[in-house]
Amino acid sequence: EAGVTQSPTHLIKTRGQQVTLRCSPISGHTSVYWYQQALGLGLQFLLWYDEGEERNRGNFPPRFSGRQFPNYSSELNVNALELEDSALYLCASSLPGTGNEELFFGSGTQLSVL
Amino acid sequence: RKEVEQDPGPFNVPEGATVAFNCTYSNSASQSFFWYRQDCRKEPKLLMSVYSSGNEDGRFTAQLNRASQYISLLIRDSKLSDSATYLCVVRTSGTYKYIFGTGTRLKVLA
Repeated sequence: EAGVTQSPTHLIKTRGQQVTLRCSPISGHTSVYWYQQALGLGLQFLLWYDEGEERNRGNFPPRFSGRQFPNYSSELNVNALELEDSALYLCASSLPGTGNEELFFGSGTQLSVL
Repeated sequence: RKEVEQDPGPFNVPEGATVAFNCTYSNSASQSFFWYRQDCRKEPKLLMSVYSSGNEDGRFTAQLNRASQYISLLIRDSKLSDSATYLCVVRTSGTYKYIFGTGTRLKVLA
């Protein structure tokens, strides 16, 4: 069974550009979480989607947005890129209401903003 | 005070040693607890969930102390391949909000 998949694996952009990152959860998982991890730092929560709805949002500006599709895949959009947006963006999925509800991560998208 | 706190380390231990990490959490409504392992610039991988009664998986033992609001991870007979950052994760009841600690770095030395 396929795990969480993310694309692309690497991206290089310049300041002011826009980027879209994609995530496909484990089959049957309805929740998708997005995290940002800058080099040497911890995971910062960005967004949580479940059943197509945004359920929670971290302390990030509105230029970070996303959506979840009917097949539970998700996109993260970042507008007006800034240098400090350079980070590893991780997507995770889970199936709420099933017990302990572990998160399973994709291998991430490494974004570099020049 | 951070919601989830970990000693960043690094913990440098020789092969075969036993090492323990603690993680404290501030929200008493926290419901689920996990340890993840993260290798450099890779995604976190679930090491084990932490149950109220404590649980063991091979060389790894996890404990939960709700009264003192901490969880622990014990690694016995450390291997070189155990070198990684260990992340403590806490999920709050009702919100499905997962809070990650900043991680404890472990280096197992030959």
